[in-house]
Amino acid sequence: AQTVTQSQPEMSVQEAETVTLSCTYDTSESDYYLFWYKQPPSRQMILVIRQEAYKQQNATENRFSVNFQKAAKSFSLKISDSQLGDAAMYFCAYKRRSQGNLIFGKGTKLSVKP
Amino acid sequence: DTGVSQDPRHKITKRGQNVTFRCDPISEHNRLYWYRQTLGQGPEFLTYFQNEAQLEKSRLLSDRFSAERPKGSFSTLEIQRTEQGDSAMYLCASSSGTGENEKLFFGSGTQLSVL
Repeated sequence: AQTVTQSQPEMSVQEAETVTLSCTYDTSESDYYLFWYKQPPSRQMILVIRQEAYKQQNATENRFSVNFQKAAKSFSLKISDSQLGDAAMYFCAYKRRSQGNLIFGKGTKLSVKP
Repeated sequence: DTGVSQDPRHKITKRGQNVTFRCDPISEHNRLYWYRQTLGQGPEFLTYFQNEAQLEKSRLLSDRFSAERPKGSFSTLEIQRTEQGDSAMYLCASSSGTGENEKLFFGSGTQLSVL
């Protein structure tokens, strides 16, 4: 069975600084997708960034980038120039290409200090 | 396009009662998902529909849970004979496209409290 592990229950970063959130996963599949979702207090999950496993190039979306290490089954999220609005729960998620559902980690609560 | 809408936002019920939640997906989205999220955990998959067909069901979906999506539009999730362990947030998501072109949009959830 696939699992997603986020080992940092909470993280804190100073405004304008950079922070990295960790995620590891376990799968025997070779074709899958990985995601980072943000869940602010409003509770609505928002997609931050996605990575296709077959792509070697790390995905980037403005201030957000990932470090995808397929052999190590690691998928970390780097947030540059952190902003107060980045404060939220961040969830790492995995999806097999052939299956519809996402498998989420337990989340990391990110605080941003002014 | 007003996003994924869930109703009610909060529901308090007594143990043993039945509850029903509604999800209105983004129009034209053919896939609809239900997830459950308990405190301190990530969302857990319950079931999903492609149009009106229920294609996958999690083992978490006991026989007290039933979901429908008549006509492939809105969906309902019913929990019969609620238990305190059913207390959670129930999230709905919809998407269009498949594979790498699929993007999920989540609603704000229904928070269920079973007393």
